[in-house]
Amino acid sequence: KQEVTQIPAALSVPEGENLVLNCSFTDSAIYNLQWFRQDPGKGLTSLLLIQSSQREQTSGRLNASLDKSSGRSTLYIAASQPGDSATYLCAVLSGYSTLTFGKGTMLLVSP
Amino acid sequence: EAGVVQSPRYKIIEKKQPVAFWCNPISGHNTLYWYLQNLGQGPELLIRYENEEAVDDSQLPKDRFSAERLKGVDSTLKIQPAELGDSAVYLCASSLDWGTGNTGELFFGEGSRLTVL
Repeated sequence: KQEVTQIPAALSVPEGENLVLNCSFTDSAIYNLQWFRQDPGKGLTSLLLIQSSQREQTSGRLNASLDKSSGRSTLYIAASQPGDSATYLCAVLSGYSTLTFGKGTMLLVSP
Repeated sequence: EAGVVQSPRYKIIEKKQPVAFWCNPISGHNTLYWYLQNLGQGPELLIRYENEEAVDDSQLPKDRFSAERLKGVDSTLKIQPAELGDSAVYLCASSLDWGTGNTGELFFGEGSRLTVL
């Protein structure tokens, strides 16, 4: 059974810092990995999707990397802003189209 | 293009009452998911549909939960009777099937927050 772990569970940084969120998974036989953002009381917004054959994806100030063999992904956020404050969730698609989520990292960026 | 639409956004009911949630996926998406999210946790799959067929309902508590996706488009998730522990956010998502040129990217609705008193 696939298990996804996200570290840290919570992170507080001042505005302008670069930061890294970590995601690890136990079964490396994945189809893809998605990073989501969730604001309080809202649904999930897809940020980046990395196919199993890819090593990284970039969107604006966000960069996600994937090391399938070691079961790890990182989400790098450059020059963080208060508007980046949210919970970031990692999810892997594996098995028979089963998407497994981590518990998320709650990020607070203070002005 | 409209995203995944869910209703109601909020529902407060007494325990033992029934409740139903509705989801309209993105047009053309053949795969539809219902997830349960408790506070501080990641979403957990309840049921996955490919068109009209429920292909994974192993985590759906079938004694009180039921779901349907008639005509392979809209879906309804029902709880009867509701228990205190059912208080959570119920999320609907849709996607194209992974493979054959599709990435399998999931798109979520805003969720339906259920409070059982």
